[in-house]
Amino acid sequence: ETGVTQSPTHLIKTRGQQVTLRCSSQSGHNTVSWYQQALGQGPQFIFQYYREEENGRGNFPPRFSGLQFPNYSSELNVNALELDDSALYLCASSTLDRAYNEQFFGPGTRLTVL
Amino acid sequence: DAKTTQPTSMDCAEGRAANLPCNHSTISGNEYVYWYRQIHSQGPQYIIHGLKNNETNEMASLIITEDRKSSTLILPHATLRDTAVYYCIGSGAGNMLTFGGGTRLMVKP
Repeated sequence: ETGVTQSPTHLIKTRGQQVTLRCSSQSGHNTVSWYQQALGQGPQFIFQYYREEENGRGNFPPRFSGLQFPNYSSELNVNALELDDSALYLCASSTLDRAYNEQFFGPGTRLTVL
Repeated sequence: DAKTTQPTSMDCAEGRAANLPCNHSTISGNEYVYWYRQIHSQGPQYIIHGLKNNETNEMASLIITEDRKSSTLILPHATLRDTAVYYCIGSGAGNMLTFGGGTRLMVKP
């Protein structure tokens, strides 16, 4: 059973550019959630995808968008990057087919916006 | 999601039990209590969850009060590798986790 993987590990972009981050979910999971973690803070929920549909969204602007593919892997896209977008981006996979579901996190992508 | 309150930091001697408290007085009846931890610069790691009953797994024990307003995570024999930030989260079926500040546990030799 493979765990959650994310790519790339690190990324440097300049303000105004666009970025795509990728996440492969754990085998058997149909749900991917994305979180943003600024330095020194807890992760903040961005959105969740369940069976290829957005299933909930946190307080993030529309320039944060996502996709989930038939194999349940996922992408996070951020347009018009701002300096404050510099953070660790985490994805977590789970399954929503029961009343509770523990989320398994990937190692994260460290994004630096200059 | 329920609002949770945790101490900012705690110390524990290596080999002793670490008891991490969490207050979640606004938790609703269908919300589970989840515990995660995050070792520096890594993704959060799931530890344990519970609804009403006490739970135990290979990592930890979770004690939930009868009124469900608070819980305690117990690491029975803390090691240096247990040094991390521990997050207590109350979450419903959608399981969109709301992380607070967590407790920074320092295990000391």
